[in-house]
Amino acid sequence: AQKVTQAQTEISVVEKEDVTLDCVYETRDTTYYLFWYKQPPSGELVFLIRRNSFDEQNEISGRYSWNFQKSTSSFNFTITASQVVDSAVYFCALSEVGAWAAGNKLTFGGGTRVLVKP
Amino acid sequence: DAGVTQSPTHLIKTRGQQVTLRCSPKSGHDTVSWYQQALGQGPQFIFQYYEEEERQRGNFPDRFSGHQFPNYSSELNVNALLLGDSALYLCASSFGTETQYFGPGTRLLVL
Repeated sequence: AQKVTQAQTEISVVEKEDVTLDCVYETRDTTYYLFWYKQPPSGELVFLIRRNSFDEQNEISGRYSWNFQKSTSSFNFTITASQVVDSAVYFCALSEVGAWAAGNKLTFGGGTRVLVKP
Repeated sequence: DAGVTQSPTHLIKTRGQQVTLRCSPKSGHDTVSWYQQALGQGPQFIFQYYEEEERQRGNFPDRFSGHQFPNYSSELNVNALLLGDSALYLCASSFGTETQYFGPGTRLLVL
């Protein structure tokens, strides 16, 4: 069974500080996708990034960066120079990469609430 | 390009009633998934529809059923509502097994 754990329930920072969100996952699959989604107070889940399990290259996209380490089953996410608009709940998620007919359900962690104060 | 849309936005029902939630996928998407999100928790997968068939199902009772129409839109039906069914119901669409994009959700309150 797949499992995603986000140990941090809430993080509070002052604007312009960096924020790193931790994510640890469990899966028996050898190939899988990892995701980060953002949920602002409006409730809609907004897709941020996706990585596949066979590509551990870490990247930066604007103010977002991520650190994928397969050896420790971690997929951490960093927001650089945080802004008030970054205040939201952030979810880490996992999906298997199987046969087309198998589907691709997302397994989510419990979320980390980020509060950026001006 | 319209994103995923859901209706209604809010709904209040009483225990034992039945409810139908609707979802229109993003243009070009053929797969619809439904998730239940209780307050303060992460979304939980209910089921996924592709080519009008239920392709995958999570750990939810048979009171939860769905349908996908030829235009790829979908409905989620919940029978015999319980207080514990109060949640935000999220619909997501994708092209096959590609990234899922979510709608704004339907907030259901069961009294």
